[in-house]
Amino acid sequence: AQSVSQHNHHVILSEAASLELGCNYSYGGTVNLFWYVQYPGQHLQLLLKYFSGDPLVKGIKGFEAEFIKSKFSFNLRKPSVQWSDTAEYFCAATPSGNTPLVFGKGTRLSVIA
Amino acid sequence: EAQVTQNPRYLITVTGKKLTVTCSQNMNHEYMSWYRQDPGLGLRQIYYSMNVEVTDKGDVPEGYKVSRKEKRNFPLILESPSPNQTSLYFCASSLALGYNTEAFFGQGTRLTVV
Repeated sequence: AQSVSQHNHHVILSEAASLELGCNYSYGGTVNLFWYVQYPGQHLQLLLKYFSGDPLVKGIKGFEAEFIKSKFSFNLRKPSVQWSDTAEYFCAATPSGNTPLVFGKGTRLSVIA
Repeated sequence: EAQVTQNPRYLITVTGKKLTVTCSQNMNHEYMSWYRQDPGLGLRQIYYSMNVEVTDKGDVPEGYKVSRKEKRNFPLILESPSPNQTSLYFCASSLALGYNTEAFFGQGTRLTVV
């Protein structure tokens, strides 16, 4: 079955530390990839997306992600996290075509002062 | 403002009492879906709809029903709720499936079944 894996369940970082959250997907062909963020008590919001073109995608709030096709990966990065980045982060993927979005289990990020 | 609206935001009910969670979007999106979010399990899709009168099961459809009589509305129905359906529910919509689309989410409905 098609799946999306997020390796880290909970990540704790100090402010100003660099962040990398792993995401791997299992589709073999063309794929659309997304990262969503869910701040405490809120709904999911889109951080960034990749459909085609430049594999390094820049999103909101200083986040970026790199699509590495050979590794089936779409890791999320931020050079310097802030306390306000405390949230849960979901990677999601769908192959091109009429296939529903599949989400990873999410990674909870806690940023401490 | 483009949005997905769910109601109610919070609901406590008793086992077996039928309930409906409404979802409405104002973006003329074709695709709508329901997810439940549980700790450690992430988001799991319950049902989805690719257009009016077209619905299909997601990963965890047991105990749920949906309908899509109008493009903008996609209610989630629990005919006989049970405690294992206590969860946080999200409705989402997107222009279509697959190509170059992102999902927009509602604010969520926290359901407790006692």
